Amino acid sequence: DAKTTQPPSMDCAEGRAANLPCNHSTISGNEYVYWYRQIHSQGPQYIIHGLKNNETNEMASLIITEDRKSSTLILPHATLRDTAVYYCIVQLAGKSTFGDGTTLTVKP
Amino acid sequence: GAVVSQHPSRVICKSGTSVKIECRSLDFQATTMFWYRQFPKKSLMLMATSNEGSKATYEQGVEKDKFLINHASLTLSTLTVTSAHPEDSSFYICSASGLAGGPTDTQYFGPGTRLTVL
Repeated sequence: DAKTTQPPSMDCAEGRAANLPCNHSTISGNEYVYWYRQIHSQGPQYIIHGLKNNETNEMASLIITEDRKSSTLILPHATLRDTAVYYCIVQLAGKSTFGDGTTLTVKP
Repeated sequence: GAVVSQHPSRVICKSGTSVKIECRSLDFQATTMFWYRQFPKKSLMLMATSNEGSKATYEQGVEKDKFLINHASLTLSTLTVTSAHPEDSSFYICSASGLAGGPTDTQYFGPGTRLTVL
């Protein structure tokens, strides 16, 4: 599985956009980029995924660079409830490896 | 949709006993289920992958005889921790995929089971 690199922590002001970067320079052509988040002591929650094109859903937007070596998850209007550990993973055939993720802290 | 449940949510047992954890996909048929364990302030570590009706595939370093996985139906997988010891205390999380029927299916996670072995 391709590995991902994320900053260990980030802060964001409530109501502002949170932009979480992820590097996946060894991603192969048929691997998808997935984002999950985990709120303390709960199971991870699916956020969004993509292959090549940018994606948007009700939770977030995913921007994937043209060379697919990096991506950015955007939470357009962060709330206090968005405080969590965010994991960026690359996935093929369902199997994936979780890195350490980014701890996002949304502050009032 | 895409709800996954786990039972129990929390279990405390004595050393030497066995503990069974159930993972159910409530509103879709899960062709594949995954089992993870997570230590405090650490990331998820994949233990095994199970496909309905076949033997589970274990990750390197995970003892097959210690962690028995059964995926008897498209909605249920079980993890049995046999002869549990204090070092098996951890947060166990399952995930299920198969909603869309493709090889890159999204994983939907259960809420986790906290196991404490005394």
